Amino acid sequence: AQKITQTQPGMFVQEKEAVTLDCTYDTSDPSYGLFWYKQPSSGEMIFLIYQGSYDQQNATEGRYSLNFQKARKSANLVISASQLGDSAMYFCAMREGPTNAGKSTFGDGTTLTVKP
Amino acid sequence: EAGVTQSPTHLIKTRGQQATLRCSPISGHTSVYWYQQALGLGLQFLLWYDEGEERNRGNFPPRFSGRQFPNYSSELNVNALELEDSALYLCASSLVHAPGPEAFFGQGTRLTVV
Repeated sequence: AQKITQTQPGMFVQEKEAVTLDCTYDTSDPSYGLFWYKQPSSGEMIFLIYQGSYDQQNATEGRYSLNFQKARKSANLVISASQLGDSAMYFCAMREGPTNAGKSTFGDGTTLTVKP
Repeated sequence: EAGVTQSPTHLIKTRGQQATLRCSPISGHTSVYWYQQALGLGLQFLLWYDEGEERNRGNFPPRFSGRQFPNYSSELNVNALELEDSALYLCASSLVHAPGPEAFFGQGTRLTVV
């Protein structure tokens, strides 16, 4: 079974609107971290936001927020007030506890296109 | 402060040759991670080095190997190159390993095997 599932291969959003990118995960480890990265066409991975499994509140970083629903094992990324520069590939990733030490598992990504 | 730097940016090799990719982590970071990203796909974990030791590796054959130097920089070696090894190889570093700290990535080395 896939550990990270991103069901939206591509998404479109109008500039200045909000968009939600879906991510579900699968782990039996009680201690884990969830990350979102942005990858522009240039290739570099840009860290956006992090949520720890024990964090009580949803993470927020500027226009990015992570809608963490632990019982449903989902960690959706919400981008508010989309900008043209947000057009990129977005990856959800998870890092688990000791048995998978050092290893982050990535989803297949969602390509976001922001339309003017 | 300099970020994670990788060299070379691009590398073209012939099938059967060896490729060496290099990574310099952010100053003070002791953990280095290597990932392979085939075209249009997500990242696949390759190797994790911390304090000079290989701590974990992904599901890749032994011809993928590497090392970490005393200054925490790292080298990834791919022997007996195959066409399927063509990919973007990304290096990341972090201060310590835990589920918490995020990893910062370099810009990658694009390896093309012909």
